[in-house]
This record gives sequence, C-alpha cells and structure tokens, in this order.
Amino acid sequence: GAVVSQHPSRVICKSGTSVKIECRSLDFQATTMFWYRQFPKQSLMLMATSNEGSKATYEQGVEKDKFLINHASLTLSTLTVTSAHPEDSSFYICSAQQGTGAFGSYNEQFFGPGTRLTVL
Amino acid sequence: RKEVEQDPGPFNVPEGATVAFNCTYSNSASQSFFWYRQDCRKEPKLLMSVYSSGNEDGRFTAQLNRASQYISLLIRDSKLSDSATYLCVVNKDNYGQNFVFGPGTRLSVLP
Repeated sequence: GAVVSQHPSRVICKSGTSVKIECRSLDFQATTMFWYRQFPKQSLMLMATSNEGSKATYEQGVEKDKFLINHASLTLSTLTVTSAHPEDSSFYICSAQQGTGAFGSYNEQFFGPGTRLTVL
Repeated sequence: RKEVEQDPGPFNVPEGATVAFNCTYSNSASQSFFWYRQDCRKEPKLLMSVYSSGNEDGRFTAQLNRASQYISLLIRDSKLSDSATYLCVVNKDNYGQNFVFGPGTRLSVLP
C-alpha cells in the first residue's frame, strides 16, 4: 500500500508557541490530504480537507486562523497550530488520497502515523 | 443522532471465539463503507471495504444492509493479535472526500 509519513511524531511545547506538522506521501501523488484530530478515547474527527494549490476546506467549529494548512505540492501538506494552548493537546493524523478520488480503490485514504502534541 | 454509531464495547473474548461488531449510519446517501482497525496510539489501518453483496477476507466477514443502514464485521477464530479498536467508516460519496468515523469498538482477545 501507499506510504504516508508525518513529522514530528511527538512534540511537547509551551503554551503560546506555534507547531508545524508535516505530512508527506512518499510513493504517490496526493491530490487531496486530510487532517484529523483524535482526543483520548474518542474517534477521529476531520478538521480540514486540503487540496493541492488551493485553500483548505475546514469543518465546522475548526478555526482556520488557528490551524493553518498549506498544501504546496502533491506530496506535502503542513498543519501549523498557532499559539497552541493545552486544550490543543491531541493526536493529529493526516491522510492522503491517491488520484482523483473517482470510483474504486482511489477512495482509500492512507494514514500517516500521527503526531502527538502536548502543550504545557 | 450521531452520523455513525457502533457497539460501545469493550468486547473481551477468549482466543478462538467468534465476535461480531455492529455499526449504523444515519445518512442514507452514503456511498461506501469501510472497517478500519486502530491499535493503541497508532494510526488507523484499513481492514476491509464493505460491499453490498458482503465480502470475506480470511477470518473477517463484512456485511452491508443499505435498507437498514447497518454494517457488520464478523471475526472468526479470534487471535490475540486481533486486539484493537475497530472503526466503522462511512464515506458520504464516491470521491473519498467525506469520511466519517464511528467512535470505535474496542476488542481484547484474551489467552
């Protein structure tokens, strides 16, 4: 299957700092990447959908000025958590979708290993 | 009502047992369906897609009932390595743009 990497895998930062998380598709071009957040004992919640070369689409309740997404190439999307606070501590997972998203196997989203953010 | 609901769990079963997970979804326009498994503190991994005719992959069988908006996953002869959280995932269209994850059902297979 396709491989998606995330960096860093874990980050601990002080309140008020900004944190950048990278998501890369290593062996395929990802037209669309997705950013999810998962709090302890809860399921994944979609934060935003990122299409290469265009602005991200944010889910309701997700502040676009706080969670900046840049999808500059077909293999890289970044999520920047600006002015992080303890309530932003969570497991952030990206996924990448191969191809145009048409019928069949391109529906599959390949997930990165996640980034665990702890804000002190 | 949540878009995707699952058995609350956890399920604790002995090795070799058969276990079934249930999932319901609220959006009748949903087009495709998946089961993912997620190990503790790891990313979800695709277990299997769910087709209208039902499908089987080794010890795993998935079924879909569109009329009832119900999906199931059956695991036969469970192994210790099957211990994980099983996520029911519903895609609202056929373009991979709208994955909705269920809350997950945790399975512990005991020796």
